[in-house]
Amino acid sequence: DGGITQSPKYLFRKEGQNVTLSCEQNLNHDAMYWYRQDPGQGLRLIYYSQIVNDFQKGDIAEGYSVSREKKESFPLTVTSAQKNPTAFYLCASSIDWRADTQYFGPGTRLTVL
Amino acid sequence: SQQGEEDPQALSIQEGENATMNCSYKTSINNLQWYRQNSGRGLVHLILIRSNEREKHSGRLRVTLDTSKKSSSLLITASRAADTASYFCATDRGQGAQKLVFGQGTRLTINP
Repeated sequence: DGGITQSPKYLFRKEGQNVTLSCEQNLNHDAMYWYRQDPGQGLRLIYYSQIVNDFQKGDIAEGYSVSREKKESFPLTVTSAQKNPTAFYLCASSIDWRADTQYFGPGTRLTVL
Repeated sequence: SQQGEEDPQALSIQEGENATMNCSYKTSINNLQWYRQNSGRGLVHLILIRSNEREKHSGRLRVTLDTSKKSSSLLITASRAADTASYFCATDRGQGAQKLVFGQGTRLTINP
């Protein structure tokens, strides 16, 4: 999965709890992305970061937050405000914001109990 | 918003046959990409075709792009069991990689 790691692979959360998903890359890429995938669906963009200390909302940012304090790390927090958080979450990176190709991590499956 | 729409949603063929899947999109693009996803895993980039290209090859993959019809097709020749996966097209909405939009995917099953 191209030098991008996501942890944990499976995550269970009780309703009302915040949870943070980890994404780390050793590709020296400037840009990083978070996507959500629901069963049988394509990917939807949650947040993206073009460079360290900068990030932008994607198409479905409500109920999520991110930080980009280090180039190699882009953690995603799923807050209690996210109404339907159960999904498969994918992190990706690209060389920079102009690059065409994205490289994906193995994903984290989040289940809200 | 979903820009790319794949067709068919699911495809099942015998090993050795060719598999063709299609993608349609709505707005102008700079390029279109195809990705593969094995069950429960991340996506892997397969091939990219730019808006000024009509056809591109990579190994057993052949991609075509028709910008007048806003459509693309991915052909996998001489399919193998290992090709079993979901295939997604992604378009850039003309705004660069940070604005990639993925279709819903075609689930391909290769029967031995």
